[in-house]
Amino acid sequence: DTGVSQDPRHKITKRGQNVTFRCDPISEHNRLYWYRQTLGQGPEFLTYFQNEAQLEKSRLLSDRFSAERPKGSFSTLEIQRTEQGDSAMYLCASSSLFGAGGLETQYFGPGTRLLVL
Amino acid sequence: AQKITQTQPGMFVQEKEAVTLDCTYDTSDQSYGLFWYKQPSSGEMIFLIYQGSYDEQNATEGRYSLNFQKARKSANLVISASQLGDSAMYFCAMMRGFKTIFGAGTRLFVKA
Repeated sequence: DTGVSQDPRHKITKRGQNVTFRCDPISEHNRLYWYRQTLGQGPEFLTYFQNEAQLEKSRLLSDRFSAERPKGSFSTLEIQRTEQGDSAMYLCASSSLFGAGGLETQYFGPGTRLLVL
Repeated sequence: AQKITQTQPGMFVQEKEAVTLDCTYDTSDQSYGLFWYKQPSSGEMIFLIYQGSYDEQNATEGRYSLNFQKARKSANLVISASQLGDSAMYFCAMMRGFKTIFGAGTRLFVKA
């Protein structure tokens, strides 16, 4: 396994269109995260899955955003009726538990750069 | 509220010299993890080093070391013997449970 992969790497779309991104985590990782990163900022948490269950959603995730992880493996993030403000890098990360106290290291994919015209 | 502060938007270092990137954090939790990630221009976030809040020794990974001062709530990254390939954005992050928050980052420029 070579790490977390994301597809597509780049997406240009027109305002109002729907887009879907895919993330394939490291195979033995049961936790999966989506982040959004805008220019000049660090990543911001969007949502988190443990296996197929979506356990947390940020307030940043409006009703136009939906994420799924149907079989506990790959995940998709869909944005409906895109707006120019959705232009950002969308990062996926996966993790497994290590050490005491339940702390873990997240490994990130290369991201999907979205540009909404 | 939890917060990560990186006060250096940009840093310059001469090749082969050491550089320290600052990070301070704010939390009332007792158990948390501190991380540093490198983000080159390609965009991928690369894990560098981890420090647990209960770890008494500073973490080291090759040329990277984390200067952890718990009382001061600081977790500075030290890169020794800088290389041209170290030029990138560096993010400090804190994790509690499944939530991770990131600082705004420091852009490091390594000069030949």
